[in-house]
Amino acid sequence: QKEVEQNSGPLSVPEGAIASLNCTYSDRGSQSFFWYRQYSGKSPELIMFIYSNGDKEDGRFTAQLNKASQYVSLLIRDSQPSDSATYLCAVNSDDYKLSFGAGTTVTVRA
Amino acid sequence: DTGVSQNPRHKITKRGQNVTFRCDPISEHNRLYWYRQTLGQGPEFLTYFQNEAQLEKSRLLSDRFSAERPKGSFSTLEIQRTEQGDSAMYLCASSLARVGELFFGEGSRLTVL
Repeated sequence: QKEVEQNSGPLSVPEGAIASLNCTYSDRGSQSFFWYRQYSGKSPELIMFIYSNGDKEDGRFTAQLNKASQYVSLLIRDSQPSDSATYLCAVNSDDYKLSFGAGTTVTVRA
Repeated sequence: DTGVSQNPRHKITKRGQNVTFRCDPISEHNRLYWYRQTLGQGPEFLTYFQNEAQLEKSRLLSDRFSAERPKGSFSTLEIQRTEQGDSAMYLCASSLARVGELFFGEGSRLTVL
């Protein structure tokens, strides 16, 4: 079983719609959860982090965490063509190591 | 530019040769990570330094891989006797304190022929 699992996609959404990305993790002791965005040919960049159960909003992005279900999600509201990228879920369960999922590729259709 | 810098950006080598990659982290960051990423996969943890101390090395990392961070500044990742399976993007990242908030460099792409 992989430590972090994501739907590989691709996820295609029309401009202005909501993109919903899901992630599950295997280590129940995981403490911190991150979403990175990676444009094609570029390196990952951090866009959101969440530590507590519930929702966290930052602009058009909302991260949701449910530790009981070992589930993290990312919502992108009012999707723009510039949001077309691969979104990586990452989970931290110790002091230093970050484990990444394989990513979900999102395409926003203009 | 005060971001994470990696070089060379691309390296093509023949199987069996040794290669070395360099990473210059953001200057005030004390944590430095090496990850490897292949097409369609997320970054895979290789090793971690806090200042000059290498605190963890992935079980996936064979003895052919070695990393150093002398004086807690730049880091090098050396791969000896390269194999075709080593072909990947090697990503360096640094962070200041909070685990998980990583700043990645642009990566060094290795192609082993």
